[in-house]
Amino acid sequence: AQKITQTQPGMFVQEKEAVTLDCTYDTSDPSYGLFWYKQPSSGEMIFLIYQGSYDQQNATEGRYSLNFQKARKSANLVISASQLGDSAMYFCAMRERGAGSYQLTFGKGTKLSVIP
Amino acid sequence: GAGVSQSPSNKVTEKGKDVELRCDPISGHTALYWYRQSLGQGLEFLIYFQGNSAPDKSGLPSDRFSAERTGGSVSTLTIQRTQQEDSAVYLCASSLLSSGTIYEQYFGPGTRLTVT
Repeated sequence: AQKITQTQPGMFVQEKEAVTLDCTYDTSDPSYGLFWYKQPSSGEMIFLIYQGSYDQQNATEGRYSLNFQKARKSANLVISASQLGDSAMYFCAMRERGAGSYQLTFGKGTKLSVIP
Repeated sequence: GAGVSQSPSNKVTEKGKDVELRCDPISGHTALYWYRQSLGQGLEFLIYFQGNSAPDKSGLPSDRFSAERTGGSVSTLTIQRTQQEDSAVYLCASSLLSSGTIYEQYFGPGTRLTVT
């Protein structure tokens, strides 16, 4: 089974609107971390936001927030007030602490296009 | 401070030749990771370094792939006898390291490898 599932290959959003990018995950480890990265056409992976499995509150970073629903195993990224510069690939990733490795497992990504 | 740097940014090589890819992590980051990004496979973990040792090499696809890290800093990924399926973007990341905390990984710009 895939550990990280991003079901939206592509999304469109109007400039200044909010958009939600979906991510579901699969783990039996009670301790894990969830990450979102942005990859513009230039190719560099940019860290956006992090949510720990024991965090009580949803993470927020500026216009980014993470809608963490632990029971549903979902960690959706919400981008408010979309800007043209938000057009990029977005990847959800997970690190399981009990795995003994520090690697990130990535989803296949969602391509977001912001329309002026 | 400076981010993760990688060189070369692009590498074109003939099938059967050896290549070396270099990564210079963020100063003070004990952990270093190599990932590979290709169209068909998405983002795949290759190897993880903790200091100069590599406790997790589980992602290396074959014995043609090797990596080393010296002085707890620069890392080199070597691919021997390159094959066309090795064509991909090779991404390096680094992070702080603690058994009790999950830290975000910061990525370099990648090396685009093309095997002809």
